[in-house]
Amino acid sequence: QSVLTQPPSVSAAPGQKVTISCSGSSSNIGNNYVSWYQQLPGTAPKLLIYENNKRPSGIPDRFSGSKSGTSATLGITGLQTGDEADYYCGTWDSSLSACVFGGGTKLTVL
Amino acid sequence: QVQLQQWGAGLLKPSETLSLTCAVYGGSFSGYYWSWIRQPPGKGLEWIGEINHSGSTNYNPSLKSRVTISVDTSKNQFSLKLSSVTAADTAVYYCAREIRGYVVVVAATPGYYYYYMDVWGKGTTVTVSS
Repeated sequence: QSVLTQPPSVSAAPGQKVTISCSGSSSNIGNNYVSWYQQLPGTAPKLLIYENNKRPSGIPDRFSGSKSGTSATLGITGLQTGDEADYYCGTWDSSLSACVFGGGTKLTVL
Repeated sequence: QVQLQQWGAGLLKPSETLSLTCAVYGGSFSGYYWSWIRQPPGKGLEWIGEINHSGSTNYNPSLKSRVTISVDTSKNQFSLKLSSVTAADTAVYYCAREIRGYVVVVAATPGYYYYYMDVWGKGTTVTVSS
């Protein structure tokens, strides 16, 4: 059981937009910044979004992040088949004094 | 650019101690925290713990009694030991560089922690089986 809650799967057609939610509490998302990671099959996770909505160098602006209260959202526009991956949200939990992740969401581009 | 190279035993028997090492190449070692994360087959990510160049550590409360993370600054390496392993410890283990800090956005109000991993190792598969 993950501390952060994500939908197990989402799907959309190529070129469309999809959002992935991440729900937490006041001890984690509510009072700390959120990051998002993309894990392509058989590879290590890759940082996609940090500090709620910032993109590392090289990440296209098709990827965006937002936060409201105790929830965060990853948005992906102009879906491509290469975006098929597992996506994880993460943050610091001030009560646990530990990093916590969501259970992951599998994106299928139909 | 920074690269992380990790290695260690891939097959263990129950009750043995898992031992992995991660070497940091191409960047500063002392300015960061370094962490271990694992991913059981078909499951999500689990943070194991972290260490900085001074040897200051934080561990996941659920694993704290079995985990030791250490650092060798002379080699720019950090290591993970997990004792008394069981089949539940079978996973891909990743090392990663952390970016972490605390920001006060509005003076005299509580701040926010920012915490993320920006560089990852390729992962080491560890299987625990009798």
